[in-house]
Amino acid sequence: QKEVEQNSGPLSVPEGAIASLNCTYSDRVSQSFFWYRQYSGKSPELIMSIYSNGDKEDGRFTAQLNKASQYVSLLIRDSQPSDSATYLCAVIPSDFGNEKLTFGTGTRLTIIP
Amino acid sequence: DAGITQSPRHKVTETGTPVTLRCHQTENHRYMYWYRQDPGHGLRLIHYSYGVKDTDKGEVSDGYSVSRSKTEDFLLTLESATSSQTSVYFCAISESSGRASDEQFFGPGTRLTVL
Repeated sequence: QKEVEQNSGPLSVPEGAIASLNCTYSDRVSQSFFWYRQYSGKSPELIMSIYSNGDKEDGRFTAQLNKASQYVSLLIRDSQPSDSATYLCAVIPSDFGNEKLTFGTGTRLTIIP
Repeated sequence: DAGITQSPRHKVTETGTPVTLRCHQTENHRYMYWYRQDPGHGLRLIHYSYGVKDTDKGEVSDGYSVSRSKTEDFLLTLESATSSQTSVYFCAISESSGRASDEQFFGPGTRLTVL
């Protein structure tokens, strides 16, 4: 079983709508969770980190964490064509250090003008 | 952008030749990482370093070695390149302390092709 799972997509969302990206993880003691955005041919860019249950908002982005259900999600409000990218979910499986950031394979998001 | 550079950015080499990729940071961060990214596998950790001369293996370390003689430089070496090592290689860094110490920031990547 993969440690971090994401729907590979592609996920198509109309411009201006809310894009919802989901991620599940297998390690119950995971403490740190991240969302990265990766444009084609570019490197991953950190857009959100979340450590506690609940929601964390940053501009048009909201990360949601539910440790009991072992999922983390990313909502993008007022989606723009520039949001079209692959979104990577990443998890640190334990609280013993930051050396094992485990990535999902990513969800490709396309915003339709 | 975090001050991370990688060199070379593109390289084509032949099977059996040694290859060294360099990651250089100007952030004075303690932790440095090497990942490879392949279709269907996502990003996978090869090796990481938690200080000068302190390194450890990641998920896919076979066929790779690393060295870190200075805080700012982390080298990844393929002793004898194979076609299965054709990939995009990313270096990442993270801080040594603080609440956000586990946030990792990535360099621009090196595209390596082994013929």
